[in-house]
Amino acid sequence: GDSVTQMEGPVTLSEEAFLTINCTYTATGYPSLFWYVQYPGEGLQLLLKATKADDKGSNKGFEATYRKETTSFHLEKGSVQVSDSAVYFCALSDDETSGSRLTFGEGTQLTVNP
Amino acid sequence: EPEVTQTPSHQVTQMGQEVILRCVPISNHLYFYWYRQILGQKVEFLVSFYNNEISEKSEIFDDQFSVERPDGSNFTLKIRSTKLEDSAMYFCASSWTSNEKLFFGSGTQLSVL
Repeated sequence: GDSVTQMEGPVTLSEEAFLTINCTYTATGYPSLFWYVQYPGEGLQLLLKATKADDKGSNKGFEATYRKETTSFHLEKGSVQVSDSAVYFCALSDDETSGSRLTFGEGTQLTVNP
Repeated sequence: EPEVTQTPSHQVTQMGQEVILRCVPISNHLYFYWYRQILGQKVEFLVSFYNNEISEKSEIFDDQFSVERPDGSNFTLKIRSTKLEDSAMYFCASSWTSNEKLFFGSGTQLSVL
C-alpha cells in the first residue's frame, strides 16, 4: 500500500538557518504530493503541493520538488523564522484510488529559536 | 478565511461509553472527512462522506464507528463503545470537490479512560 516516510524529528534551528525536512514515498499509482503545516492550537493547513513529476510547489518561502526518480518530496526553506515553528506533515494522494484520501507521514516538529 | 470548526476541543470518556464528536464544515463544501492521530503515530484516514453516504472508509472504521450529517451543517463521528485504543486526536476536514484541497479543523482530543 501507499506510505510516506519523513525524517525523524524534532528539528531545532536558529532564525535565518536553512531548513530541509526529508520526505520519501511509496505509491502504486501516480500520486499527488503535499506538505501540510500545523501551527500550535490550529488545524492542518495545506502549505504546498505538486501533482506530477518535476513539479515544484512553493508557498511562504517554502519549496518542494516532486522527484519521481528518488520518490522524494523534500521540504526546504532558505531562511526560517520563529513564526515557522510548527509541525510539518508530508502526504500523498493516490489519484488512482481517491483524489482526496491522504496518506500522511509521521510529522516533523520544527522549533525555530530567535 | 472560512474554517472548519470542531467541538469539543477535548473530551474525556469512560471505556465502553458512546461519544459523539462534532464538526461544522465550511458551508458550501460537499465532501467531508474524518482523520485521526494516535499520539506519536501518523495521521490516519478514517472515512469520507459525500451526498449523504460514506464514499470510502479505512479498515480502522469498523462497526463501532458511524458518521452522520444530521442537519445540513453539522458532520458527526460517533464511536458506539469506546476502547482505550480510541484515544487520539480526531480531525474533521471538508472540501468543495474530491480533488480540491482539504480544509482541516483544529481537532478534538479524545481520551478514553
